[in-house]
Amino acid sequence: EADIYQTPRYLVIGTGKKITLECSQTMGHDKMYWYQQDPGMELHLIHYSYGVNSTEKGDLSSESTVSRIRTEHFPLTLESARPSHTSQYLCASRGDWNTEAFFGQGTRLTVV
Amino acid sequence: AQSVTQPDIHITVSEGASLELRCNYSYGATPYLFWYVQSPGQGLQLLLKYFSGDTLVQGIKGFEAEFKRSQSSFNLRKPSVHWSDAAEYFCAVGSRSNDYKLSFGAGTTVTVRA
Repeated sequence: EADIYQTPRYLVIGTGKKITLECSQTMGHDKMYWYQQDPGMELHLIHYSYGVNSTEKGDLSSESTVSRIRTEHFPLTLESARPSHTSQYLCASRGDWNTEAFFGQGTRLTVV
Repeated sequence: AQSVTQPDIHITVSEGASLELRCNYSYGATPYLFWYVQSPGQGLQLLLKYFSGDTLVQGIKGFEAEFKRSQSSFNLRKPSVHWSDAAEYFCAVGSRSNDYKLSFGAGTTVTVRA
């Protein structure tokens, strides 16, 4: 069973609020990822990190930001939430290049 | 650039019948291929993976997949479906040239009827 956790699982928040989605893993993985998933659509990579103090933007442009101060922690922040940010956000981590990614259970964000 | 196509958006299958989900990828060299399953409100769980070697790979829950380089395909199969197999299935590809980042298909939703 994967040891990667996301909080909160569900979040409803008003427009303009600042939010942080938490993601933690206890597997010591260097590589961590954030994906955005809309219903019936593929997962889009929005951020990734290959280690502490390393962050990169993914294939899909996002107004969110991430940080990687500790190996196990990879939070995602939206400074000012908008309804267009409504989506499911999935966090994943990975060890060596020839291994699979492990996913958290996701955070379903609704901005009203 | 790597990409994944899952041609079937939705498949309905009777319990006990066989299931095949299609996946085609676009990538020049040998890719690393994965099938994940997602139940409602949950994250993704790995069913199986292919990196090299035997082109027929076995996974959890009785699933298997076959890598066919000539067809750029990695189709998922199960001989006899159970009601608990109702879920969304994602094919993913990773490659050394893309820093091993995973690209996902749009997914196939499987409905199992009694």
